[in-house]
Amino acid sequence: DAKTTQPNSMESNEEEPVHLPCNHSTISGTDYIHWYRQLPSQGPEYVIHGLTSNVNNRMASLAIAEDRKSSTLILHRATLRDAAVYYCILRETNYGQNFVFGPGTRLSVLP
Amino acid sequence: GAGVSQSPSNKVTEKGKDVELRCDPISGHTALYWYRQSLGQGLEFLIYFQGNSAPDKSGLPSDRFSAERTGGSVSTLTIQRTQQEDSAVYLCASSPVDRPNTEAFFGQGTRLTVV
Repeated sequence: DAKTTQPNSMESNEEEPVHLPCNHSTISGTDYIHWYRQLPSQGPEYVIHGLTSNVNNRMASLAIAEDRKSSTLILHRATLRDAAVYYCILRETNYGQNFVFGPGTRLSVLP
Repeated sequence: GAGVSQSPSNKVTEKGKDVELRCDPISGHTALYWYRQSLGQGLEFLIYFQGNSAPDKSGLPSDRFSAERTGGSVSTLTIQRTQQEDSAVYLCASSPVDRPNTEAFFGQGTRLTVV
């Protein structure tokens, strides 16, 4: 399975931007990069995904390096509700692949 | 619309008893996944169903664990002769199709405590 590495934890101040990095140096050409987050005592929720181009949605932006060996999830203005564990996941092109979750990055947001 | 529903939300059972955990996926979703999450840990894949294909059982930790998906919809995860190390949150997710550019929707989980 393709693997990702993320920092164990990060801290941010409320209303400031947050950049969450993910390394995936063994990514293959057609793997999709997905981000999920897990709020305390809840199941994971989808945040964003992309293949090659940067992506924006109402929750966040995803910046993908040109060589696709790394990506960054950007929260433009962190709120207290954004405190969660953020998972960067590669979805391989073969059918029948489950979502492989690593330990993720625990984001703390300070008021 | 309705999301992924799991029941019960909490289950306390005695060591050695069997338990059944239920997952109702989003209607029309063909892919269904089970994970478990021990306290403070990441998500551990258990089993995956896709349509009428044979399930991927590669994550089941022992033969005490089994799962069914009836009619391509509801799924039941059964743990026989529960042990204390089975205590965890069991999460179910569904996805519209099994493609790498689709998202999965997770339920709130069933917290299982084996005493």
